[in-house]
Amino acid sequence: AQRVTQPEKLLSVFKGAPVELKCNYSYSGSPELFWYVQYSRQRLQLLLRHISRESIKGFTADLNKGETSFHLKKPFAQEEDSAMYYCALSVGQGAQKLVFGQGTRLTINP
Amino acid sequence: SAVISQKPSRDICQRGTSLTIQCQVDSQVTMMFWYRQQPGQSLTLIATANQGSEATYESGFVIDKFPISRPNLTFSTLTVSNMSPEDSSIYLCSVAQAFGLSEQYFGPGTRLTVT
Repeated sequence: AQRVTQPEKLLSVFKGAPVELKCNYSYSGSPELFWYVQYSRQRLQLLLRHISRESIKGFTADLNKGETSFHLKKPFAQEEDSAMYYCALSVGQGAQKLVFGQGTRLTINP
Repeated sequence: SAVISQKPSRDICQRGTSLTIQCQVDSQVTMMFWYRQQPGQSLTLIATANQGSEATYESGFVIDKFPISRPNLTFSTLTVSNMSPEDSSIYLCSVAQAFGLSEQYFGPGTRLTVT
């Protein structure tokens, strides 16, 4: 069965400290993974996708198939990074269906 | 990316009634989806809204409870029928601009409270 696990419901770090939000997945096919972010009073928005291998707002995420992980990292946290982060796995025919993790609420302390 | 709007943004309804949520996109999109986010929970896919045919429902969701329409490539509705307090959730519409593109873009959501 397809599953996405985000083990930390809450994560709190100080401004300037490194951040790592964990995501593990279970999927028998070729995975396509995403990180979505929801800032306070805003809609859910795509942060990055593993295929792009890009850095958005200083965040990066590397797909590790051996460990079935897709952790989100940022070397120096900023206060504006405080938000809800969801890891999502694309599955199904045409890879259209998204399976979401439980989400991690990240708080950056000044 | 497409601009997606939903109506209503929130509503408080009595049990036993039905509510229809609208999703409007500013451009034609191939795929439209409906998700539910129960309090304190993650997003769960309810169904894929197919233009010109019946929606494709995920396990645990049925057409009688969540009828969906998709009359064209820019609009869809989700009805929550015969509501109970357990239906209190945020309902979100999302779109993917073409088949095979797995990036989805989300509407602002409709916050439903059933009393």
